[in-house]
Formats: sequence, structure tokens, C-alpha cells
Amino acid sequence: GAVVSQHPSWVICKSGTSVKIECRSLDFQATTMFWYRQFPKQSLMLMATSNEGSKATYEQGVEKDKFLINHASLTLSTLTVTSAHPEDSSFYICSARDRGGAGGYQETQYFGPGTRLLVL
Amino acid sequence: DAKTTQPPSMDCAEGRAANLPCNHSTISGNEYVYWYRQIHSQGPQYIIHGLKNNETNEMASLIITEDRKSSTLILPHATLRDTAVYYCIVRVVDSNYQLIWGAGTKLIIKP
Repeated sequence: GAVVSQHPSWVICKSGTSVKIECRSLDFQATTMFWYRQFPKQSLMLMATSNEGSKATYEQGVEKDKFLINHASLTLSTLTVTSAHPEDSSFYICSARDRGGAGGYQETQYFGPGTRLLVL
Repeated sequence: DAKTTQPPSMDCAEGRAANLPCNHSTISGNEYVYWYRQIHSQGPQYIIHGLKNNETNEMASLIITEDRKSSTLILPHATLRDTAVYYCIVRVVDSNYQLIWGAGTKLIIKP
């Protein structure tokens, strides 16, 4: 299957600082990327949907000014956690939509390995 | 809310076939069934998907009932590395192509 990378895989930061997480589709172009958050022993929670060249769509309850998303190219989306606090500590996962050329049945979503954020 | 129902956990002996059921009784005619798995502390891994026909790839087989209200993911020869949480997801058909995640099935492969 297609490969999605995330960087960094681990980050520890002080409260009040900002952290940027990169998500890249390595062997396909992704017009749409998604950002998820996962707390321990819970399922994935969609934070936002990012379409290349346009503003991201945020899920209810997710602060767009705190979680800045940029999708400037067909292979790169970034999530910036601004003024991070300990409650933002979580596992952040991105995914990229591979339309498989024809879309429809061929369409699949592939996930990055995740970024674990710890805010002290 | 998730549109699928899965057992919370299952055990399977190493080397045997693991059969993971999923109920999606409210599925619409143009919605696909996707299966992903998440090994501890990793991002989800795509396994397989289907619409109404049975599907097979190098990882697994997907059996969808004729009425499409349920499906079974089959791992033909389970290994210890198949221990993971398995998610059955019905694809939401809209322009954003969102996947709605339920609690999944924790599959434990035992030696």
C-alpha cells in the first residue's frame, strides 16, 4: 500500500510552546489529508479535514486557532499545536486520501505512524 | 456515531484462522466496508475493503453477506504479530470521505 510519513515521531515540549507536526504522502498525491487525536485506550477522534490549497474543516469542539493546519502541497500537511498545555498531550495521527487514480472503489485512506506529544 | 458493531475482544490460537465479525445493519447501498487494524502505539494500517463481493488480498479475506448487513474479516493463518485492535468502518460517502471509528475488536493471538 501507499506510504504516509510523520515527523517527528516523539516530541516533548514545555507548556506554552508551539509544536509543528509534518505529514507527508511519499508515493502518491493527496488532495485531502486528515488529522486525528487518540488518547490512551480510546479510539481515534477526527480533529480536522485538510484539503490542498484551502482552509481546513474542523470538527466540533476543536479550536482552529489552537490547532493550525496547513496543506500547502499535494504531499504535505502540517499541524501546529500552538501554546501547548499538558492536556494537549496525546497521540496525533494523520492520514492521506489516495484516490487510486480513478477514485470511487479504488479510493483508500492511508495513515502515518503517529506523533506522540508530551507537554510538561 | 459509528455505524458498526464489533465484539470488544477475541482470542485466537497462533496458526489458526482468525474470524472477526462486524455488524453494519444500516449500511446504505453505496457505502463500502473498510477494515483497518492498529497495533499498539502505531498508526492504523489499511487491510481491505469491499462493497458487496467477497475480497481477498495478501493480508486477509473479506466476506460480506448477501444482504450486506454484516461482514467477516478472515486472517487465514494468524501470527503473534497480528495482535491488534481491528476496526470495521463503513465509509461515509461525501466529499470529505470521513471514516467514523468505533471501539474495534481487540484480537489477541496466543501461542
